[in-house]
Amino acid sequence: NAGVTQTPKFRVLKTGQSMTLLCAQDMNHEYMYWYRQDPGMGLRLIHYSVGEGTTAKGEVPDGYNVSRLKKQNFLLGLESAAPSQTSVYFCASSYSYRTVLLDGYTFGSGTRLTVV
Amino acid sequence: DAKTTQPPSMDCAEGRAANLPCNHSTISGNEYVYWYRQIHSQGPQYIIHGLKNNETNEMASLIITEDRKSSTLILPHATLRDTAVYYCIVKKAGGTSYGKLTFGQGTILTVHP
Repeated sequence: NAGVTQTPKFRVLKTGQSMTLLCAQDMNHEYMYWYRQDPGMGLRLIHYSVGEGTTAKGEVPDGYNVSRLKKQNFLLGLESAAPSQTSVYFCASSYSYRTVLLDGYTFGSGTRLTVV
Repeated sequence: DAKTTQPPSMDCAEGRAANLPCNHSTISGNEYVYWYRQIHSQGPQYIIHGLKNNETNEMASLIITEDRKSSTLILPHATLRDTAVYYCIVKKAGGTSYGKLTFGQGTILTVHP
């Protein structure tokens, strides 16, 4: 049982390049989330999904797009990377709004992205 | 969701109990108190949560005051591996926020040998 797996773990992009971060979970969770974390700050929610085929905006969605074509995968895309998107990105999943109260979130180990 | 206030940093000696406070004076009746921690360079880890009763699990104890305006996370025998940032989060049990957790600055707990 791998839990939540994020790929890649590290990446350096040039300004204007695009890339996709992959989050995969094997716990049959309904809900998935993408957060970013910047130095000295807590985690901020970028986008989230409450089920296959659905996505919604979080606190800081600008410059990012997401897709949830399969229940187990949640993709975060940067169409034109900017230095302001240099951050550590965390994916998380939870079963449902009710059971999240019992189990909490499961987080991945993070993707460190640097945009130069 | 109610706002929480935590001290920015705390120290604790290895083997002693670590008591991390959290103020949530505007908490409402259907809001739970959650605690997560983040060890350096890792993703946050769920620790414990509670509504109004004290809770205990294999990791920690959660003490919530009777008026629910504050709580304390207790790590009974802190080890060096407990050095981390600890987040106190208050979250509603209902509504349309789909379980989104809002992380603040947290408390940096440093456990010393």
